[in-house]
Amino acid sequence: LAKTTQPISMDSYEGQEVNITCSHNNIATNDYITWYQQFPSQGPRFIIQGYKTKVTNEVASLFIPADRKSSTLSLPRVSLSDTAVYYCLVGANSGGYQKVTFGTGTKLQVIP
Amino acid sequence: ETGVTQSPTHLIKTRGQQVTLRCSSQSGHNTVSWYQQALGQGPQFIFQYYREEENGRGNFPPRFSGLQFPNYSSELNVNALELDDSALYLCASSLAAADNQETQYFGPGTRLLVL
Repeated sequence: LAKTTQPISMDSYEGQEVNITCSHNNIATNDYITWYQQFPSQGPRFIIQGYKTKVTNEVASLFIPADRKSSTLSLPRVSLSDTAVYYCLVGANSGGYQKVTFGTGTKLQVIP
Repeated sequence: ETGVTQSPTHLIKTRGQQVTLRCSSQSGHNTVSWYQQALGQGPQFIFQYYREEENGRGNFPPRFSGLQFPNYSSELNVNALELDDSALYLCASSLAAADNQETQYFGPGTRLLVL
């Protein structure tokens, strides 16, 4: 099961672009990379998912290098409401089921 | 909104009691997973149900059990509650996909306090 490593916390000023990098050195060939956002006492919210290169949606971009041993979540022009914990996950489809393992995540604090 | 609902939102129990938490999956999803999230930690995988059968389990004792119903709603049962069971319990639904690009959508959680 691929383990992920992320910075524990990050601070950013409002309006800046934020990049959160995640390491997953033992990612398997079939694994996808998924990022979630979580506010206190709420369930994680899906942000973006990718397999390789770059994926972009209306809220974020995900950059994955060719070796797939890391990934970077990019949040453009953050606002105070982006203050949350961000989790990087690498899915493991083992024995026919998807076991998702969360790490401790990155606590992003957006400063006015 | 993910369409995944959980009940109750909050619950207080005493040590040794039993609890049942409920989850209603997003429409069209056939898989449900349960997680336990202690304060300040990431969610920990408890188990997953697919087509009413347990389809995988994390490192939790047998007193954590579950059910999935034909309409894909689900229950998490915890017997002989311990103080350390106090946590946010999250349910996530998904649609099993052959290409492994399966995305889980989480409910708001049930906050359980064991006294």
